[in-house]
Amino acid sequence: GEDVEQSLFLSVREGDSSVINCTYTDSSSTYLYWYKQEPGAGLQLLTYIFSNMDMKQDQRLTVLLNKKDKHLSLRIADTQTGDSAIYFCAGRGGGNKLTFGTGTQLKVEL
Amino acid sequence: GAVVSQHPSWVICKSGTSVKIECRSLDFQATTMFWYRQFPKQSLMLMATSNEGSKATYEQGVEKDKFLINHASLTLSTLTVTSAHPEDSSFYICSARGRELAGGPRTDTQYFGPGTRLTVL
Repeated sequence: GEDVEQSLFLSVREGDSSVINCTYTDSSSTYLYWYKQEPGAGLQLLTYIFSNMDMKQDQRLTVLLNKKDKHLSLRIADTQTGDSAIYFCAGRGGGNKLTFGTGTQLKVEL
Repeated sequence: GAVVSQHPSWVICKSGTSVKIECRSLDFQATTMFWYRQFPKQSLMLMATSNEGSKATYEQGVEKDKFLINHASLTLSTLTVTSAHPEDSSFYICSARGRELAGGPRTDTQYFGPGTRLTVL
């Protein structure tokens, strides 16, 4: 099955940009997603990118996809304290199932 | 986006009892619902997939007799943890995928519920 890896922790200062990275193994993943999870809550879909795209921008969020290296990143511009959360990337492959990464905890410091 | 609710948001029960968790899609027809569990500081693990009116498909290693899933309508799926034990304590999250408008095209986006924290004493 698919294996999705993320770094566990990222700390940034308020106002800086955050870049969260994700690598995956299944090249047949058609969609790749970024979800945000705040403490004790479910997952909020932030954005997604189709596998034939290289980049997608949505307000403060920029998703970059390198299909050759199977690498996905999420850049958050002007990071705010409200962005502190755990961020999961997920790939959608066979059977329309989502395989989630290990999650990256983003801590935004003043 | 579509809204998915779960009830209860948290539950504490004694070992050996059964617990039912509801997952509802509030403004769209959920043709498919997914149940995940998440242990502290870990990722989500898919437990099972259910299509409305059909039996659920369980992932390898998930006991179907212990985790009973019913998806009887386009807006409701239930997960019953039978004879719960402390090792079943976890955060259970459902997601739903379907048609945002009655008769409309099916979308592939999964919308997640807020999760249910189960603690078995």
